Amino acid sequence: EDKVVQSPLSLVVHEGDTVTLNCSYEVTNFRSLLWYKQEKKAPTFLFMLTSSGIEKKSGRLSSILDKKELFSILNITATQTGDSAIYLCAVIKDAGGTSYGKLTFGQGTILTVHP
Amino acid sequence: DTEVTQTPKHLVMGMTNKKSLKCEQHMGHRAMYWYKQKAKKPPELMFVYSYEKLSINESVPSRFSPECPNSSLLNLHLHALQPEDSALYLCASSQTRNEGKLFFGSGTQLSVL
Repeated sequence: EDKVVQSPLSLVVHEGDTVTLNCSYEVTNFRSLLWYKQEKKAPTFLFMLTSSGIEKKSGRLSSILDKKELFSILNITATQTGDSAIYLCAVIKDAGGTSYGKLTFGQGTILTVHP
Repeated sequence: DTEVTQTPKHLVMGMTNKKSLKCEQHMGHRAMYWYKQKAKKPPELMFVYSYEKLSINESVPSRFSPECPNSSLLNLHLHALQPEDSALYLCASSQTRNEGKLFFGSGTQLSVL
């Protein structure tokens, strides 16, 4: 059975701190790993990682994938109160099986940033 | 336009009612999805449509009936729901089924009384 596990499940920090969110996976026919931010309702896309060892960056957020050890991390530097949200990691399977195109989500990490 | 629009935003229905959730996108995406999300849980896939054909049904009870009238629209018809079906229902779309990068709507918060 496919598994996506995130840690920690919740995290409370103060503005300016740096945080690292973890996502490990056990998935057959792995294609890509994605990170989403869910503030109120709609999850919004952050990164999609397909190749190992290549860091993706967007402002204060960055992410990297390790396909050998089957995990990814999401880093947020100089956190702000607006970073408070649920961060979801998801894995998508490759074509070749009936489940391709299906996103399997981890449980999410609830990040709270205090002023 | 990079939006997925869902209506209604909130819905309260009785167990004998019939209602429909609607989803629309104008990004030219050919894959559309329904997800169900309970409080403090991740989204769970219900259905995937690819080129207007149902590709994945995650063993969803028949009281949920999806419909894809055209490439821009996705409906979810609800009938004889149970209180445990109360949840946030999210629609999403992507370029193709294999794309991975999904754009989500803001969801319909459904309460079944």
